[in-house]
Amino acid sequence: DGGITQSPKYLFRKEGQNVTLSCEQNLNHDAMYWYRQDPGQGLRLIYYSQIVNDFQKGDIAEGYSVSREKKESFPLTVTSAQKNPTAFYLCASQDSLYGYTFGSGTRLTVV
Amino acid sequence: DQQVKQNSPSLSVQEGRISILNCDYTNSMFDYFLWYKKYPAEGPTFLISISSIKDKNEDGRFTVFLNKSAKHLSLHIVPSQPGDSAVYFCAASMPAGGTSYGKLTFGQGTILTVHP
Repeated sequence: DGGITQSPKYLFRKEGQNVTLSCEQNLNHDAMYWYRQDPGQGLRLIYYSQIVNDFQKGDIAEGYSVSREKKESFPLTVTSAQKNPTAFYLCASQDSLYGYTFGSGTRLTVV
Repeated sequence: DQQVKQNSPSLSVQEGRISILNCDYTNSMFDYFLWYKKYPAEGPTFLISISSIKDKNEDGRFTVFLNKSAKHLSLHIVPSQPGDSAVYFCAASMPAGGTSYGKLTFGQGTILTVHP
């Protein structure tokens, strides 16, 4: 079955630590995206990549980093520079000009 | 600058009645609009879409209306069912040129609750 897998589903991080969220897709999609969901704020774009070895900042990239070494994988690192990292993180991929396929999300909590 | 806005954070309707979710946008370059449905702790799933060359698109119980002059779209669900209770996001995309994909800009979401 083709799809997007995000792991882990729940993640706890101590303040000052970096943490990496995994996103893997087997849909052979070129474009991949990371969004953050906060209550009342909808989905805000963090980073996106339209092709391997290339990525672009979204609207709220500060405190985050990504890599796109393989077509299937687009991991997101939440660094200690991110002031409010507690949120629900969603990864998506896109094949056609319109429409995304989303993963099931990762809930990150800073303790 | 919120280019896509859903001004109603929540909506409550009775089972069997119509649910109307609204969405406004400011960027006239948007040419494609989508609605996604999201359950708690899950990723959004695609519901229905509409191109800017149309003013209506229907799929079963779901109809999306687009008013370009008002920069407004709405999602109608008739009849509403308890299983429709979820967060609904509208999203918009600009024309994609060449190999550039049209990334989506999302609204804040509306929580729909359908009471039995």
